[in-house]
Amino acid sequence: KAGVTQTPRYLIKTRGQQVTLSCSPISGHRSVSWYQQTPGQGLQFLFEYFSETQRNKGNFPGRFSGRQFSNSRSEMNVSTLELGDSALYLCASSLGDGDYGYTFGSGTRLTVV
Amino acid sequence: ELKVEQNPLFLSMQEGKNYTIYCNYSTTSDRLYWYRQDPGKSLESLFVLLSNGAVKQEGRLMASLDTKARLSTLHITAAVHDLSATYFCAVAPNFGNEKLTFGTGTRLTIIP
Repeated sequence: KAGVTQTPRYLIKTRGQQVTLSCSPISGHRSVSWYQQTPGQGLQFLFEYFSETQRNKGNFPGRFSGRQFSNSRSEMNVSTLELGDSALYLCASSLGDGDYGYTFGSGTRLTVV
Repeated sequence: ELKVEQNPLFLSMQEGKNYTIYCNYSTTSDRLYWYRQDPGKSLESLFVLLSNGAVKQEGRLMASLDTKARLSTLHITAAVHDLSATYFCAVAPNFGNEKLTFGTGTRLTIIP
C-alpha cells in the first residue's frame, strides 16, 4: 500500500519568490492536512482539506494557501517567501475523521535564502 | 485555544530502565495520537487513542488516555537504543475538526 507522497523533498528558494508543494495522499483517503515544523515553533497546523473544500485553517498569514483536487491530491503555495518560512512542511492524510489516525509524508524541506 | 504540554522535554535514560512521558492538554478531547520522529525524518504513527481509558501497547511502548484528567502517558519498558527518537503527542479537539495540536516533543536518548 503506497504511503503519502510529498514532492519535492528539498527546495531552495530566494526571498520574495513563491513556491508550490505537492502531496498525494494514501489511496482512498479524502482528507489532507498540512503542517509546518521549525525548531523554534515546533509543529503547527496550516490547513486541512476534505473533498476539495478547506475545512480547517490555522493561524498563518494569507501568503500560505492550498487547494485539493478531485483525486484528493493537494498542493500548498507560499507566496512572497520570507526567511522565516524555512521549515519542514509535512502533509498528513486520513480517511476524514481521524479514527484511524493520520499518516504523514516524508516532508518537503524548504530553505529560503 | 487548545494547548498541549509534554514533559519532560529531554530524557536520557539507560538501557533496560523504565520511564514515562506525560502529555497534558487543556480542553476536552477524546482523540489523542502519539508519534515518533527520527532526526531528519517524518512522523511515524505509534498509537491512536480514541476514548477514556484507552490503553494500547506495541513492543516496549504502552500508551494510555485519561480524558477526565486530560492526560496521556507513553510508558517505555526496558528501553533499548533503537527507541532513541523524539516523541510527540497530538490532540484533535472534536470530531469534524481535524486540526492536530502537537506537544513540544520529548527527545529521548537511550544510553547503553
